[in-house]
Amino acid sequence: AQKVTQAQTEISVVEKEDVTLDCVYETRDTTYYLFWYKQPPSGELVFLIRRNSFDEQNEISGRYSWNFQKSTSSFNFTITASQVVDSAVYFCARHSGNTPLVFGKGTRLSVIA
Amino acid sequence: GAVVSQHPSWVICKSGTSVKIECRSLDFQATTMFWYRQFPKQSLMLMATSNEGSKATYEQGVEKDKFLINHASLTLSTLTVTSAHPEDSSFYICSARVGTIPYEQYFGPGTRLTVT
Repeated sequence: AQKVTQAQTEISVVEKEDVTLDCVYETRDTTYYLFWYKQPPSGELVFLIRRNSFDEQNEISGRYSWNFQKSTSSFNFTITASQVVDSAVYFCARHSGNTPLVFGKGTRLSVIA
Repeated sequence: GAVVSQHPSWVICKSGTSVKIECRSLDFQATTMFWYRQFPKQSLMLMATSNEGSKATYEQGVEKDKFLINHASLTLSTLTVTSAHPEDSSFYICSARVGTIPYEQYFGPGTRLTVT
């Protein structure tokens, strides 16, 4: 299986710090799609972003930004000026073609006031 | 946006009984639905893929006779945990896929199953 690796199991930061969540993926496909989801304590997954393999432009959405680098098979996620409400588990995921989403193991982010 | 609902949101059952979890796409038709299981502090693990009107495709290690999946319509899939045991206690999440490649995949809010 083509894995998604999130090496950071847990991260703890103080409010207003910037934090980067790492994601490295394996792929044998030319076309694939990468995702980030947030899972707050309620358990419901919240979609954050989808990136196509042929679009390496970085993206910024408010305090969130994503850095996609095909050369290193990485799709990292940065939260700027973190807030307590950002505390959650964040999952990186991928799929290609007809395959279902495959998730990384997740990174638990704790933002301390 | 597209909404996927699950019912019940949580359920407690006794060991040996069966429990059914429903997954509905509320405002769209989903030809493919997925069932994931998530143990505490772990990732989502795909259990099975179901296409409307067809038998579900189970991932390796998932007992198809224990986790019965029925996808009878384009808006409803059900997961029945048969003869539940405490080790089946988990968070079950369904997901519905729509469109063509690249697909949109929407997730339900999850069902927390506790088997006593």
